[in-house]
Amino acid sequence: DIQMTQSPSSLSASVGDRITISCQASQDISTNLNWFQQKPGKAPKLLVYDSSNLETGVPSRFTGSGSGTDFTFTINSLQPEDFATYYCQQHDNLPLTFGGGTKVDIK
Amino acid sequence: EVQLLESGGGLAQPGGSLRLSCAASGFSFSIYAMSWVRQGPGKGLEWVSGISANGDSTSYANSVKGRFTISRDNSNSTFYLQMNSLRVEDTATYYCAKGYCGDTSCSSDSWGQGTLVIVSS
Repeated sequence: DIQMTQSPSSLSASVGDRITISCQASQDISTNLNWFQQKPGKAPKLLVYDSSNLETGVPSRFTGSGSGTDFTFTINSLQPEDFATYYCQQHDNLPLTFGGGTKVDIK
Repeated sequence: EVQLLESGGGLAQPGGSLRLSCAASGFSFSIYAMSWVRQGPGKGLEWVSGISANGDSTSYANSVKGRFTISRDNSNSTFYLQMNSLRVEDTATYYCAKGYCGDTSCSSDSWGQGTLVIVSS
């Protein structure tokens, strides 16, 4: 199975900050990497697919990049509604696998 | 609007069985892969199983292989997860999710609200 290592596991930030989350795959997954947001008690929501493509309706302050084994997810100008947990997921090989998650909370 | 409604969760004893269902509406069910993803209490997301659009391809996480079976009924826009030989570590909220293509390896763009499975004696 492909292992997805996400970092950091948590971070504290303020409204307006720019934050970056990293995700590393244990083998080359091309650009087959998605990013999800999950708020407490809610289902995950797809934000970015295939490394850098923004899902319809997702604000442009969210961006993704990377290919191969190293990927980055950035939120520019953090908004109050962005405090949540973020997960990467590879869909290059079965079984699909998630990173461990990054919890973003208010500083 | 895509709607996914899970049912069938509840309390089961170790070694027991449960069958989860997910009723889908608002899209052409038969052309999309579907999957189950779970989340243990206070834990991260774990992909459990996926099934292709026509049902001829399935895949499972190693943690459930041989114990869980995914299936679908395209005539009723419903898919299922039969869970046998349940273990305490299967305790989780189980989400059904719609793929954005027809292949089993397709990731998900819509999710249900989840159904809680508790395995305890």
